[in-house]
Amino acid sequence: DVKVTQSSRYLVKRTGEKVFLECVQDMDHENMFWYRQDPGLGLRLIYFSYDVKMKEKGDIPEGYSVSREKKERFSLILESASTNQTSMYLCASSLGSDRVETQYFGPGTRLLVL
Amino acid sequence: AQSVAQPEDQVNVAEGNPLTVKCTYSVSGNPYLFWYVQYPNRGLQFLLKYITGDNLVKGSYGFEAEFNKSQTSFHLKKPSALVSDSALYFCAVKSRGTASKLTFGTGTRLQVTL
Repeated sequence: DVKVTQSSRYLVKRTGEKVFLECVQDMDHENMFWYRQDPGLGLRLIYFSYDVKMKEKGDIPEGYSVSREKKERFSLILESASTNQTSMYLCASSLGSDRVETQYFGPGTRLLVL
Repeated sequence: AQSVAQPEDQVNVAEGNPLTVKCTYSVSGNPYLFWYVQYPNRGLQFLLKYITGDNLVKGSYGFEAEFNKSQTSFHLKKPSALVSDSALYFCAVKSRGTASKLTFGTGTRLQVTL
């Protein structure tokens, strides 16, 4: 069974802190994604990765960076957290870039920046 | 650029009645179309997708969706709603010419009452 896990379900941080959100998939998927979900805005793509050490900007990359050192792990980094980054963060993975693959989502991390 | 519109923020339906959640899309060329569902405090779960072929796609939990190319729509339907279907539903589109990037709609909350 497909499984995507995220390191925390809930996180509270202070403005200016460096924040790491971790995502792990156990399906040997090539692609991994980070989204943020906000009411009335749906899901917006922050960054994605097609392979180890590869990354591409999504629609809203400002204020974020990512790291993919191993195939199964994709980290989202908030270099200096701000209150407007309070949101639900969802990680997803999919099999390969040239197929109509389904994205499989983790349970999400709800981040509150004070 | 590709886009998805879900014109209804919320749909209310009585248990046992048919339900429809609307989705229209804009994309270059032929699309790949998806429906996902999100239960409270959970990540997104895949329901169904349209790739090619039969315009009526059947998915999980008795849901189906109809692809209409002339109206650029992909409405989600179920013949008989259950209270347990109450959740947030997202439509998503992907262009065939691009890599795995999906564009999501803003979501429609389905409320099924007794």
